[in-house]
Amino acid sequence: DSGVTQTPKHLITATGQRVTLRCSPRSGDLSVYWYQQSLDQGLQFLIQYYNGEERAKGNILERFSAQQFPDLHSELNLSSLELGDSALYFCASSVVDRGPTGELFFGEGSRLTVL
Amino acid sequence: GENVEQHPSTLSVQEGDSAVIKCTYSDSASNYFPWYKQELGKGPQLIIDIRSNVGEKKDQRIAVTLNKTAKHFSLHITETQPEDSAVYFCAASSTGANNLFFGTGTRLTVIP
Repeated sequence: DSGVTQTPKHLITATGQRVTLRCSPRSGDLSVYWYQQSLDQGLQFLIQYYNGEERAKGNILERFSAQQFPDLHSELNLSSLELGDSALYFCASSVVDRGPTGELFFGEGSRLTVL
Repeated sequence: GENVEQHPSTLSVQEGDSAVIKCTYSDSASNYFPWYKQELGKGPQLIIDIRSNVGEKKDQRIAVTLNKTAKHFSLHITETQPEDSAVYFCAASSTGANNLFFGTGTRLTVIP
């Protein structure tokens, strides 16, 4: 158990809809990262937050947004969903801010299926 | 940005044999190279990492080697066991970067 909690584990929705994925980082970790894992693809970095502030953006679509709340949990919002958004979405946390040159602790992921 | 390539995409070995997974990276500024193991239904978990001031690192049956000149690093698993079956990801990052750049993964199957 990594200590990172993600909900929901599975989500099935239709094209055009909006969903919210939730992540609670490990106790004491201030940094949260979101990754997308599509079939036969590696982990694509979406966005990072540190202590409530956005720190870095990766290949995150404009239809996607995220935030980190004062209690350090984070939410990833996906809107106007398309079939291609079907993927496994991982949240990871770490203590450090600048530079993930330390261990990232991953949750078990939220599997999104868009029909 | 950094581009990490990983080979092979799938690898099957007999129990007790060794397994080698190779990665290359493009950004010479990268100085941190972790390897993550993802078991079925789980999130990736760090198994070993190496920094650019070290050429090799071992932890029991796993080892990682780094060749900064050639910009490649490898994961070696000796005496493989069925529980080593998983997807393995290499990654690269640099000090001050906010992201780990992952390879596309290698599905390792250890045949009993």
